[in-house]
Amino acid sequence: AQSVTQLDSQVPVFEEAPVELRCNYSSSVSVYLFWYVQYPNQGLQLLLKYLSGSTLVKGINGFEAEFNKSQTSFHLRKPSVHISDTAEYFCAVSDRGGADGLTFGKGTHLIIQP
Amino acid sequence: DAGVIQSPRHEVTEMGQEVTLRCKPISGHNSLFWYRQTMMRGLELLIYFNNNVPIDDSGMPEDRFSAKMPNASFSTLKIQPSEPRDSAVYFCASNPRVAGTNEQFFGPGTRLTVL
Repeated sequence: AQSVTQLDSQVPVFEEAPVELRCNYSSSVSVYLFWYVQYPNQGLQLLLKYLSGSTLVKGINGFEAEFNKSQTSFHLRKPSVHISDTAEYFCAVSDRGGADGLTFGKGTHLIIQP
Repeated sequence: DAGVIQSPRHEVTEMGQEVTLRCKPISGHNSLFWYRQTMMRGLELLIYFNNNVPIDDSGMPEDRFSAKMPNASFSTLKIQPSEPRDSAVYFCASNPRVAGTNEQFFGPGTRLTVL
């Protein structure tokens, strides 16, 4: 069984400051890792994904994430946030073996303060 | 491409009524997923289909829930009878099943309120 832990339910950050959203996962097999963003009253949009290869993954809107196998982590970072980054961010894991469903973390609400 | 289409976007019904949620996946995608989002439980996978065949429905909470995919371009999630605890946002997602990835594309969701 897989699980995803997002320790921070809410992260307040000042505009133009850096941010890191934490994600840890557990799985008995190799996995694919994803970060999705959800703006208010909208569906989920893929920010970035790790499938294989380089452990540093770059996504849309200036976000990046680093896969750390030894620490089973996939933290999301952005060097300078904008007010428009205010949203809910979800980390998700999928079994590498097949196109099955995603297991999501509980989400982190990123609040950008002016 | 229009993306994943869900209807209705909002549904308000009374306890005991039948509710049907609809989803049209992205053309050419042959995997389809139904998720439910609530404050208490977050995002949960309910059921998914590959090539119109249900593969895993272990996330379906009760027998009151059923899902069908009669063809590659349409799926329904039905709740009969509905209960207030079914109130949630229901998302449909599709996946092209390209080898080596599991990227899913989400619809805008259906917000269900059961009074």
